[in-house]
Amino acid sequence: AQTVTQSQPEMSVQEAETVTLSCTYDTSESDYYLFWYKQPPSRQMILVIRQEAYKQQNATENRFSVNFQKAAKSFSLKISDSQLGDAAMYFCAYGANSKLTFGKGITLSVRP
Amino acid sequence: DVKVTQSSRYLVKRTGEKVFLECVQDMDHENMFWYRQDPGLGLRLIYFSYDVKMKEKGDIPEGYSVSREKKERFSLILESASTNQTSMYLCASSSIYTEAFFGQGTRLTVV
Repeated sequence: AQTVTQSQPEMSVQEAETVTLSCTYDTSESDYYLFWYKQPPSRQMILVIRQEAYKQQNATENRFSVNFQKAAKSFSLKISDSQLGDAAMYFCAYGANSKLTFGKGITLSVRP
Repeated sequence: DVKVTQSSRYLVKRTGEKVFLECVQDMDHENMFWYRQDPGLGLRLIYFSYDVKMKEKGDIPEGYSVSREKKERFSLILESASTNQTSMYLCASSSIYTEAFFGQGTRLTVV
């Protein structure tokens, strides 16, 4: 069974600094997708970034980028120039064969 | 914009009641999902469906069933609600190659 592990329950970052959120996964599939979602206090899940496993290039979306290490089954999210609005819960997710599995999430706080 | 709509934002039900949580999506997505979210446990997959009338158990299906009679609608059923089913329930949909889009969530309290 596929599993997604986010080992850090909480992290804190100073405004304008950079923070990296870790995620590892376990799978025997070769074709899959990876995602990072953000859940602010409103509870609405928002997609931050996605990565196709067959692509070697790391995905980037403005201040958000990933470090995808397929052999190590690692998928970390880097947030640059952190802003107060980045404070939220972040979930790593793995998708394959129509199934989508999430990690336990990490709460990110941003210090002004 | 993709829209995933859950029928209720908040629900309070009594122990032993049959509870229906409804979810509708408007993007003709093949896949639909039901998760429950509890503090410290993240999102746990209850059931998912990849086509009309097709369903697969997720990681925690016990005490739940689902129905997908139409492509746009995916219902979660608690046959006999219990207090340990008090939780936040999230519905999502996706196509084969896209990310999942989520509803606003239903906060269910079983008393």
